[in-house]
Amino acid sequence: KAGVTQTPRYLIKTRGQQVTLSCSPISGHRSVSWYQQTPGQGLQFLFEYFSETQRNKGNFPGRFSGRQFSNSRSEMNVSTLELGDSALYLCASSTGTGALYNEQFFGPGTRLTVL
Amino acid sequence: SQQGEEDPQALSIQEGENATMNCSYKTSINNLQWYRQNSGRGLVHLILIRSNEREKHSGRLRVTLDTSKKSSSLLITASRAADTASYFCATEQFYFGSGTKLNVKP
Repeated sequence: KAGVTQTPRYLIKTRGQQVTLSCSPISGHRSVSWYQQTPGQGLQFLFEYFSETQRNKGNFPGRFSGRQFSNSRSEMNVSTLELGDSALYLCASSTGTGALYNEQFFGPGTRLTVL
Repeated sequence: SQQGEEDPQALSIQEGENATMNCSYKTSINNLQWYRQNSGRGLVHLILIRSNEREKHSGRLRVTLDTSKKSSSLLITASRAADTASYFCATEQFYFGSGTKLNVKP
């Protein structure tokens, strides 16, 4: 089975621009979660999608948004980029959510640099 | 905060020694997971322990959970240089601690 894939792997943007990151979960996984990892704040949960519905949301501003398609692939979008958005963005997939939750499988991440 | 918090923040040991990392959390949980991350890469799931379990083993890994103390520990026995990584506990699926950086010297 192919693992979780994320594209692109590296991205450089300038302040004020917007960016879209993509995540393809493991086949059969319906839950996709997104995380932001920075040296200062650690791993922070952005949001989770399950069967095309946002089921859980972290404490991030509205500039961060996401969606999930019928094939479970997910995208996250960050608008009006700020320097502080520079981070490793990780996507994880799982077979279930909430009470059905099992382990998460992580992708390699997208390294976003905002100049 | 729902996040787990690991202790110590950094640990340096010799190959062959055991490594113990602790995690404390504040709210009631249904499960707790431990993950490993090699530098700058994605996380790898190690073990999930549910709230009604007290101990779980997987190879050289042993995880304990004490819900009365809201704490968990991860023990890696007979450590290897390849175990060098950051280790995170996560509560309720989404909330990760700050991690323990383990360095195993050959």
